[in-house]
Amino acid sequence: ENVLTQSPGTLLLSPGESATLSCRASHLIGGNYVAWYQQKAGHTPRLLIYGASTRATGIPDRFRGSGSGTDFTLTIVRLEPEDFAVYYCQQYGSSPGWTFGQGTKLEIE
Amino acid sequence: QVQLVQSGAEVKKPGASVKVSCKASGYTFINYEINWVRQAAGQGLEWMGWVNPKSGNTGYAQKFKGRVSMTRDTTVETAYMELSNLSLEDTAVYYCARVVRSNSYSMDVWGQGTTVTVSS
Repeated sequence: ENVLTQSPGTLLLSPGESATLSCRASHLIGGNYVAWYQQKAGHTPRLLIYGASTRATGIPDRFRGSGSGTDFTLTIVRLEPEDFAVYYCQQYGSSPGWTFGQGTKLEIE
Repeated sequence: QVQLVQSGAEVKKPGASVKVSCKASGYTFINYEINWVRQAAGQGLEWMGWVNPKSGNTGYAQKFKGRVSMTRDTTVETAYMELSNLSLEDTAVYYCARVVRSNSYSMDVWGQGTTVTVSS
């Protein structure tokens, strides 16, 4: 199983600042099959990024995904108040399928 | 619009089984796999398995093999997840999500979630 480790666990920032969230895989991820999701309290996850760097439909350009191999990053520039949430990375591999990171909580400082 | 609508909350006793449904609308059901993901209170997302609505083929996370069954009924465009031999640790919100293979196997549409509570 490809284990995804996200860091930091919690990130304290203020609106207007930039956030850098890391996702490290225990094994190489082929095809850059990495996605990022945002989840606000009491809501369903929302797809932000797929293919490591492609924004999903309707996602503002302040959300930027990058990385390859085993190291992937989600950067959010100029944080808006609505961006404070939990973020999950996810990978797809042929076996067993999909795995998620444990999440990074982005909190207002 | 594209939607996945799940069945309502369930309360079950330990040892029982639960079956959650996920009805698709707004797109061609057989063209997209469905994943099932669960989330215990205050915890992260946990992938459980997938079902291919066209073929009926499935794949399960090792943790759930032997205890989970994912099926579909194409006539009503609905996917199902049945989990047996429930324990208190199975208390969680269960989500279905549409998989887009062409978008790096990401999940672009999610159901609203079904709360399953296991309590004696």
